[in-house]
Amino acid sequence: EAGVTQFPSHSVIEKGQTVTLRCDPISGHDNLYWYRRVMGKEIKFLLHFVKESKQDESGMPNNRFLAERTGGTYSTLKVQPAELEDSGVYFCASSRGDGQTRTIQYFGAGTRLSVL
Amino acid sequence: AQSVAQPEDQVNVAEGNPLTVKCTYSVSGNPYLFWYVQYPNRGLQFLLKYITGDNLVKGSYGFEAEFNKSQTSFHLKKPSALVSDSALYFCAVRDYGGGKLIFGQGTELSVKP
Repeated sequence: EAGVTQFPSHSVIEKGQTVTLRCDPISGHDNLYWYRRVMGKEIKFLLHFVKESKQDESGMPNNRFLAERTGGTYSTLKVQPAELEDSGVYFCASSRGDGQTRTIQYFGAGTRLSVL
Repeated sequence: AQSVAQPEDQVNVAEGNPLTVKCTYSVSGNPYLFWYVQYPNRGLQFLLKYITGDNLVKGSYGFEAEFNKSQTSFHLKKPSALVSDSALYFCAVRDYGGGKLIFGQGTELSVKP
């Protein structure tokens, strides 16, 4: 069974440009999460999908970030326009739909975003 | 608000010695605690979790963690460290309101031969 996959693994863009990150969760996992780690600090939650619906987007930093999950399968996270402070590693995780407090979230390898 | 703290940015251990990576938590009720490990150029891998039950939780790769309610701690331990254990370790608590994880800052473990 394939794990959580993220594309690209690394993206280098200039300030003001647009970048789209993609996450393919484990097949059958209804829950999909986005997190990011900035400047070696703690990993912070961005948002949570249940199937195609946004369950919790309280961690999204501002309206330059847009997340979608088409048909409840893969998800994209678009940053437009990118700013220097958006640099960091963006992680995606997925979990099964039964019993959220107990279930394990499985993480992808992350996308390292560098905004110059 | 729930939070997790990892007081040590880095832990250095000699191969074969026991290791401990510290984690303390702050929650209003019963905690759901997790340890993840990130090897270089890899994603976060689940190590173990505490939901309820025995205070000593066993996980992958010979790791275990001890839940201590009075000290609000969930330290990760291994009796004999391997060089291959060198990685970044994250402690996390599950948010009650939803499914999100709240992470500590991470601890870099370095095991030298």
